[in-house]
Amino acid sequence: DAMVIQNPRYQVTQFGKPVTLSCSQTLNHNVMYWYQQKSSQAPKLLFHYYDKDFNNEADTPDNFQSRRPNTSFCFLDIRSPGLGDAAMYLCATSRRDTLNTEAFFGQGTRLTVV
Amino acid sequence: AQKVTQAQTEISVVEKEDVTLDCVYETRDTTYYLFWYKQPPSGELVFLIRRNSFDEQNEISGRYSWNFQKSTSSFNFTITASQVVDSAVYFCALSAMTTDSWGKLQFGAGTQVVVTP
Repeated sequence: DAMVIQNPRYQVTQFGKPVTLSCSQTLNHNVMYWYQQKSSQAPKLLFHYYDKDFNNEADTPDNFQSRRPNTSFCFLDIRSPGLGDAAMYLCATSRRDTLNTEAFFGQGTRLTVV
Repeated sequence: AQKVTQAQTEISVVEKEDVTLDCVYETRDTTYYLFWYKQPPSGELVFLIRRNSFDEQNEISGRYSWNFQKSTSSFNFTITASQVVDSAVYFCALSAMTTDSWGKLQFGAGTQVVVTP
């Protein structure tokens, strides 16, 4: 059974049109992450939530925002997608207060910008 | 700053051959975790193994084994008797062992493994 679920698997959006990607988890993990993975590249961390505390990576563009309304859900908002934002977006979760630190990833959402 | 280098871009083997993936890392942290993840064409990153920086014991888990050498900052990964289903991109990753860094992974560029029948 999938533990980190991302919807949709594939998303096509128009240049400049706001888009939201969603992630849910059944693991009750207190940390949720969003990674961006462009074609043939390594995943790159955009930001993460530790409970309700938002932590942005220094080089994440302002165009990217995130919301976490509760423990189970986290959203990635792209306010004005550009062609360069086409990528696979991966959500991950982990538990911070134990030593079991591997991150569990969802299947990703592949975003196309037209 | 952390850095993970996977020098091999692609490795092609015939089924049943062994495959060894190289990983070299840089970190100023004294304690850290090292990981290997597999990314099949479907896109999901699948956790394979984790190693703590203070435990250099090498192990075998099924067809997977790893060689962690702190002296050379290397964390190599071997698939024994490869199968077609092993075809995927394999990522080596590093995470500092601090409470605000758990799960924050620094990935290498990945190595594409192609296993042909």
